[in-house]
Amino acid sequence: AQKVTQAQTEISVVEKEDVTLDCVYETRDTTYYLFWYKQPPSGELVFLIRRNSFDEQNEISGRYSWNFQKSTSSFNFTITASQVVDSAVYFCALIIYGGYQKVTFGTGTKLQVIP
Amino acid sequence: DAGVTQSPTHLIKTRGQQVTLRCSPKSGHDTVSWYQQALGQGPQFIFQYYEEEERQRGNFPDRFSGHQFPNYSSELNVNALLLGDSALYLCASSLEGYNSPLHFGNGTRLTVT
Repeated sequence: AQKVTQAQTEISVVEKEDVTLDCVYETRDTTYYLFWYKQPPSGELVFLIRRNSFDEQNEISGRYSWNFQKSTSSFNFTITASQVVDSAVYFCALIIYGGYQKVTFGTGTKLQVIP
Repeated sequence: DAGVTQSPTHLIKTRGQQVTLRCSPKSGHDTVSWYQQALGQGPQFIFQYYEEEERQRGNFPDRFSGHQFPNYSSELNVNALLLGDSALYLCASSLEGYNSPLHFGNGTRLTVT
């Protein structure tokens, strides 16, 4: 069975601070995809990034960066110079190759950026 | 290019009733999945439809059923509603294949009283 753990339930930061959201996953499969989604109050899950299990290269996209480490089964997400618009719930998720895109989500981290 | 659209946005039902939720996938997508998201929780996979057939199912009772139409749109039906069925129901569409990210709709907020 697969499992995704987001130990941080809620985080509050002051605008312009950096913040890292933690994600730890469990799977016995060797081929899988990891995702981060953002869920604003409107409810829609917004796709942020996908990383496959063979690609441990870290990625940066604007103020967002992701650190994937298979050795620790972690896929952490950092927001640099946070903004109020970053306030949302962030979900880490896992798809097993061959799993017909059945996504296993973590319980989410609610980020509040205070002006 | 329309994204995933769901209807209705909100719904209030009474325990024991039946409900139907609808989803139109993103243009070009052929696979539809349904998720239930309880308050404060991550979405839980209900089932997935491809080529008008249920291809995979999560740990949900038979009260939850679905359908996919030839135009790839989909319905989620829940019978004999329980208070615990109150949740946000999310529809996600994608292209067949493992390299396609899921695109989610805004969801239907179901309240069972």
